[in-house]
Amino acid sequence: NAGVTQTPKFRILKIGQSMTLQCAQDMNHNYMYWYRQDPGMGLKLIYYSVGAGITDKGEVPNGYNVSRSTTEDFPLRLELAAPSQTSVYFCASSYQGQGRNEQYFGPGTRLTVT
Amino acid sequence: RKEVEQDPGPFNVPEGATVAFNCTYSNSASQSFFWYRQDCRKEPKLLMSVYSSGNEDGRFTAQLNRASQYISLLIRDSKLSDSATYLCVVSLNTNAGKSTFGDGTTLTVKP
Repeated sequence: NAGVTQTPKFRILKIGQSMTLQCAQDMNHNYMYWYRQDPGMGLKLIYYSVGAGITDKGEVPNGYNVSRSTTEDFPLRLELAAPSQTSVYFCASSYQGQGRNEQYFGPGTRLTVT
Repeated sequence: RKEVEQDPGPFNVPEGATVAFNCTYSNSASQSFFWYRQDCRKEPKLLMSVYSSGNEDGRFTAQLNRASQYISLLIRDSKLSDSATYLCVVSLNTNAGKSTFGDGTTLTVKP
């Protein structure tokens, strides 16, 4: 049981490049989330999904896209990378039922855009 | 006003001290409350859920005050290993599980 896994751990992008951050969970959680955390700040929700085929915007969705074709995977796509997207990206999952929504996080992807 | 507000600290305390963190939230319809711990350059990890009646887990005690819309975390007999950032998290269960994270309170426990 690996929990939530994320790849890559680190990445440096040039301005205008694109990339996909991978996230997978093996806990059969129905909910999955993408957050970004800037230095010294809290987590900001980018996108979330309540199940396969269903996604919705969070607080800071601009410049990102997601898809959820399976319960296990929730990739985050960055198109036309900008320096403002330099951040640490965390993926999380939770089982949403009967008020239980404790989130379990992956180890994060540290992205630098230069 | 932020939806979830925490005193950023830092709190610097000696080993063995008792320290308390407060967190206020603005949405009175909030249903679920949690404390997470985040070590430097690591992912957040669930420390404890916060229940209406208050709950305790070893040296950690969490309290919820719905009338005043705040939650608290008390750490007794602080250990060096308690040094971390503590995140307050508030959730509206009916809103598809979205949670709002506070910016965190940093604790440093010194020998």
